[in-house]
Amino acid sequence: QSALTQPPSASGSPGQSVTISCTGTSSDVGGYNYVSWYQQHPGKAPKLMIYEVSERPSGVPDRFSGSKSGNTASLTVSGLQAEDEADYYCSSYGGSNNLVVFGGGTKLTVL
Amino acid sequence: EVQLLESGGGLVQPGGSLRLSCAASGFSFSSYAMSWVRQAPGKGLDWVSGITASGGSVYSAESVKGRFTISRDNSKNTLYLQLNSLRAEDSAIYYCAKPRDYSGSRSGFGNWGQGTLVTVSS
Repeated sequence: QSALTQPPSASGSPGQSVTISCTGTSSDVGGYNYVSWYQQHPGKAPKLMIYEVSERPSGVPDRFSGSKSGNTASLTVSGLQAEDEADYYCSSYGGSNNLVVFGGGTKLTVL
Repeated sequence: EVQLLESGGGLVQPGGSLRLSCAASGFSFSSYAMSWVRQAPGKGLDWVSGITASGGSVYSAESVKGRFTISRDNSKNTLYLQLNSLRAEDSAIYYCAKPRDYSGSRSGFGNWGQGTLVTVSS
């Protein structure tokens, strides 16, 4: 069982927006502004898409955005494109005893 | 260009040991904390262990404490993971991961290796 809870699947049509949630506790997501999101295509290593809740690394399209409210973080993908179809994982700093906690992942399907 | 190249994976019997290596290049290795993250076949990501830039402090997930040991050799730009007392549930791709910046793993892993597969089976 993963430390952070994500829906197993999400979907949307090209051009639409989709939001993926990530629920933790006050010991991780709710306690720190250190939530990251990763995109993983089949057979590939994960790619950092969002860090520190809402910051985008250089090169990540601004169609990807992040937010947080209480113990739940969210990733929104706007203007869905076929290449956005992938698995998405959230992670959070979990304190000194559990540095990094991941969510179970969400499979995003572009219809 | 940052490059992380893992090696050392393979097939091992339950109770056996392996040593994974991650050769780093393209950045100042000794300035960054590093981590190992694994992914069982068809499953999600699972943080395994982390080590500070100097190697002075190490951190591990409860599931591997007492069995796995992370270390580094900054003179060789190499990260290691010693896996002992292996179990079937340790079977996974093991990734070496570099944080996005100097603040460590909390800032997100900006670079990943291609992974090395560990299979624990009799």
